[in-house]
Amino acid sequence: QSVLTQPPSASGTPGQRVAISCSGNSSNIGSKTVNWYQQLPGTAPKLLIYSNSYRPSGVPDRFSASKSGTSASLAISGLQSEDEADYFCSAWDDSLNGVVFGGGTKVTVL
Amino acid sequence: EVQLLESGGGSAQPGGSLRLSCTASGFIFSDYGMSWVRQAPGKGLEWVSSISFNDGPTYYAASVKGRFTISRDGSKNTLFLQMNSLRAEDTALYYCAKEYFTAIPGYKPDAFHMWGQGTMVTVSS
Repeated sequence: QSVLTQPPSASGTPGQRVAISCSGNSSNIGSKTVNWYQQLPGTAPKLLIYSNSYRPSGVPDRFSASKSGTSASLAISGLQSEDEADYFCSAWDDSLNGVVFGGGTKVTVL
Repeated sequence: EVQLLESGGGSAQPGGSLRLSCTASGFIFSDYGMSWVRQAPGKGLEWVSSISFNDGPTYYAASVKGRFTISRDGSKNTLFLQMNSLRAEDTALYYCAKEYFTAIPGYKPDAFHMWGQGTMVTVSS
């Protein structure tokens, strides 16, 4: 059972918008910044979003994220076949004194 | 180009030890906090441990505290993870990761910007 809760799966057709939620509590998302990672099959994770909503250089602006209270959300606009991957959220947790991850959401492009 | 190359993985018996290494290049190693994150086969990501840029504060997941020790050698641009008292549940692909931000006093691990390809650890009798 992960500290941060994500839906196990999400899907959409090419061009659609897909949103992934990440739910936590006041010890993590409620008081700390959220990061998002993309993991393509068989590869290492890649930082997609940091500090709630910022994209590292090279990440397409089709990816956006936001945070409100104890929840965060990642959105993929204009879904493409290459976006088929697992997506993980993470945050520092003051109660656990460590980094916590969500269980991951597998995005399928139909 | 930032590169992180893990090594040292392999098979160990329960109760045994392994020492993982991560050799870094392409950035000023001493400016960044570094971390280990693992992924059991078919499972999600689990943070393991982090160390501050200046060999200062270290952080451990509850599941490994007291058994694993993170360290770094700035002269060799290398991150280490000494793993003792290994358990079957430690079986995973271990990634080393570099922070996105250059470290500041009061460092706590945050965004893991660059990742190695991982080294597999299998604990089995």
